[in-house]
Amino acid sequence: DTGVSQNPRHKITKRGQNVTFRCDPISEHNRLYWYRQTLGQGPEFLTYFQNEAQLEKSRLLSDRFSAERPKGSFSTLEIQRTEQGDSAMYLCASSSNSRDRDIEQYFGPGTRLTVT
Amino acid sequence: AQTVTQSQPEMSVQEAETVTLSCTYDTSESDYYLFWYKQPPSRQMILVIRQEAYKQQNATENRFSVNFQKAAKSFSLKISDSQLGDAAMYFCAYRSPTQGGSEKLVFGKGTKLTVNP
Repeated sequence: DTGVSQNPRHKITKRGQNVTFRCDPISEHNRLYWYRQTLGQGPEFLTYFQNEAQLEKSRLLSDRFSAERPKGSFSTLEIQRTEQGDSAMYLCASSSNSRDRDIEQYFGPGTRLTVT
Repeated sequence: AQTVTQSQPEMSVQEAETVTLSCTYDTSESDYYLFWYKQPPSRQMILVIRQEAYKQQNATENRFSVNFQKAAKSFSLKISDSQLGDAAMYFCAYRSPTQGGSEKLVFGKGTKLTVNP
């Protein structure tokens, strides 16, 4: 078990460019979550998947954002036409189930996006 | 919507001493989960301790314990015998019940804990 991994760890892009981040959850986990964390704030929920189904999306997830989990394994988060306000740490987490003992979310190291 | 408030942006403690971090939350749900997560500098977030709202007994994990006051909607974290490795951002988080509730975590803004040698 190597934990949740995210790539790239850092991304610098110019305003208006598209970026894509990848998250690989813990292998047996069927739930995958995306959060955004700006400086001095706690993480804010963006969206989550159960297997390949996207079950919930936050209002923070504007139409420039799209997330996929095509085979129920890894997930990608794409931001189109990036804006300076998109600069943040993007965190991915996974969990094995929604049952009481399995609800802990395990976090990856995050992808830090800087939009110049 | 649920909200989580951490009123202490920063706290400091001497090594080997005890410190308590505060958290309050607002919800209309009767059953839920509360968590404390630790985020060391430039490292990933890890779970410190969790509390199920239906359990009256306060959770304990080694040097970490909570004071869960359901009626007051308060959930504080006590760190005993503080160690240098405890220095980190600490986030309080709320999660709805497993049946029919949202699975997202709602986080507070965090408390930065400094441990002085």
